[in-house]
Amino acid sequence: QLQLQESGPGLVKPSETLSLTCTVSGGSISSSSYYWGWIRQPPGKGLEWIGSIYYSGSTYYNPSLESRVTISVDTSKNQFSLKLTSVTAADTAVYYCACLGGGYWGQGTLVTVSS
Amino acid sequence: QPVLTQSSSASASLGSSVKLTCTLSSGHSSYIIAWHQQQPGKAPRYLMKLEGSGSYNKGSGVPDRFSGSSSGADRYLTISNLQSEDEADYYCDTWDSNTWVFGGGTKLTVL
Repeated sequence: QLQLQESGPGLVKPSETLSLTCTVSGGSISSSSYYWGWIRQPPGKGLEWIGSIYYSGSTYYNPSLESRVTISVDTSKNQFSLKLTSVTAADTAVYYCACLGGGYWGQGTLVTVSS
Repeated sequence: QPVLTQSSSASASLGSSVKLTCTLSSGHSSYIIAWHQQQPGKAPRYLMKLEGSGSYNKGSGVPDRFSGSSSGADRYLTISNLQSEDEADYYCDTWDSNTWVFGGGTKLTVL
């Protein structure tokens, strides 16, 4: 059974870059025909898909965030990562990594954007 | 891109059944969706994948009380014999051309 775990800073300053990593265990990120994705949830609100990466490395982004988002994969570490640039208070949220199509979620990590 | 519409809230009594609805936008009525449960303060949990035919495939450990069905553009999640732990937010999602979209979620209150 796959397990996903997010890691990264819980506090980011406005205008800086938010960086998170998702470590996958219980299976190889490169041997599964799954999409590995990032989803966020602002406090008290619903889920928003940020973007996904296929095991082959192809990336797909939410059009509303595409200009600020980069998702990458490191198969040697069985990890995939999220970078979100030029953050503002509106980017404060719980960030989840997930195996889309496989039905696995990380526990989530709260990222607060504040000076 | 498809749009998913969910009622913002629902309520039902302990031990009863409830049917939650996720409606696909026009032109997308054949799409497969997934249902997820999010208990207060927790991460979402995958419940099932549900096809337009009504066929569904539940995740590991999902109780038999949870079932899915479909009618046209509507995808349903039925929870039988409601328990207190079923009080949660329920989200549906779907995908198209390698992009994903979530419904707004339904907050279920168990009375």
